[in-house]
Amino acid sequence: AQKVTQAQTEISVVEKEDVTLDCVYETRDTTYYLFWYKQPPSGELVFLIRRNSFDEQNEISGRYSWNFQKSTSSFNFTITASQVVDSAVYFCALSEPTLMIYNQGGKLIFGQGTELSVKP
Amino acid sequence: DAGITQSPRYKITETGRQVTLMCHQTWSHSYMFWYRQDLGHGLRLIYYSAAADITDKGEVPDGYVVSRSKTENFPLTLESATRSQTSVYFCASTLGTSGLDTQYFGPGTRLTVL
Repeated sequence: AQKVTQAQTEISVVEKEDVTLDCVYETRDTTYYLFWYKQPPSGELVFLIRRNSFDEQNEISGRYSWNFQKSTSSFNFTITASQVVDSAVYFCALSEPTLMIYNQGGKLIFGQGTELSVKP
Repeated sequence: DAGITQSPRYKITETGRQVTLMCHQTWSHSYMFWYRQDLGHGLRLIYYSAAADITDKGEVPDGYVVSRSKTENFPLTLESATRSQTSVYFCASTLGTSGLDTQYFGPGTRLTVL
């Protein structure tokens, strides 16, 4: 069965520290997507990145970087030089394909989230 | 560019009452989803829909009913609310024909059942 595990429930760092959020997934599918979402204190869910299972290149976007390793079924997220505004709950998610008549639907399986607190 | 909206944003109701949470998207996305968020569980899928009049159950569908008569709307109804349905509810949508495209979420509805 598909599963996403974010073992770190809470992380607290001081501003400017680097921090890595871990995500481990389980799936039997060969084609799948992995996602990271950010949920700031205001409560909305903000999309950060999508990665497909055939692209293992690491990605960098400003202070954010993602390390996708199929060999270890991990999709870790690193924030470099963290800032107070990075304080949020971060969710890793895995898409689960499902057949709906002639369409191929995708359902998201979420990890439990990691609450990151960045202190000044 | 309204995107995806949910109403109401906050709702307090009593056990046994029927409650409908509304979700509306302006993107003409094919797929729509309802999730609930509870402490310790992350987000869990309640129902989803591939198009108008095509819906299916997710992980936690019991006690909920959905309909999709129009592409842009996907209401979620709690037929007889229970305290265990106290949660934050998120609606999401995605365009892609594969359904594996990025899901974009509404702002959420915080529901309290007394």
